[in-house]
Amino acid sequence: DAGITQSPRYKITETGRQVTLMCHQTWSHSYMFWYRQDLGHGLRLIYYSAAADITDKGEVPDGYVVSRSKTENFPLTLESATRSQTSVYFCASSDPGGPEAFFGQGTRLTVV
Amino acid sequence: EDQVTQSPEALRLQEGESSSLNCSYTVSGLRGLFWYRQDPGKGPEFLFTLYSAGEEKEKERLKATLTKKESFLHITAPKPEDSATYLCAVRTNAGKSTFGDGTTLTVKP
Repeated sequence: DAGITQSPRYKITETGRQVTLMCHQTWSHSYMFWYRQDLGHGLRLIYYSAAADITDKGEVPDGYVVSRSKTENFPLTLESATRSQTSVYFCASSDPGGPEAFFGQGTRLTVV
Repeated sequence: EDQVTQSPEALRLQEGESSSLNCSYTVSGLRGLFWYRQDPGKGPEFLFTLYSAGEEKEKERLKATLTKKESFLHITAPKPEDSATYLCAVRTNAGKSTFGDGTTLTVKP
């Protein structure tokens, strides 16, 4: 099915562990984005990518690493998880210049 | 610094009671303003893009409008299924989108 798939949907991890959140899209959109959404707030951009092997920082990149070796995949890694990274993470994709038109279902991450 | 402010934070309406949600923005070089609907536990669903002052877009009971400083999402004769959080976002010349905190709409039957 076409769309954006995020995995896992839920994750509990311990402080200091490395965690990778996966994002896969079938639209062949060139742009992909990672956002975090904290309770009662809007979305804050972590990283985005304009194409394979091209990534750039967003508003809140510290503590996160991304890669994009293939157009369809855009994993987000928390190198050493902290409690402040407890959040819901959304992946999105778009065509160049267009809105983030398609969002995944989100990954709810809890760092204990 | 780009800023997006949505008001009110929460809005409770009776079914059929029309109202408007506000999204005011301060940005350098607006490339587009976007509206989304977000249901609990789900990702945002794209609704509209507005590019220039005076532009309007409609979809069922929703109409979005844009001025040089703000956008309104008008909801006409809402139904309970319109209950959701509505987010607006602005895209600037830097190519990134900045989101507001959203308005949570509850429509009572």
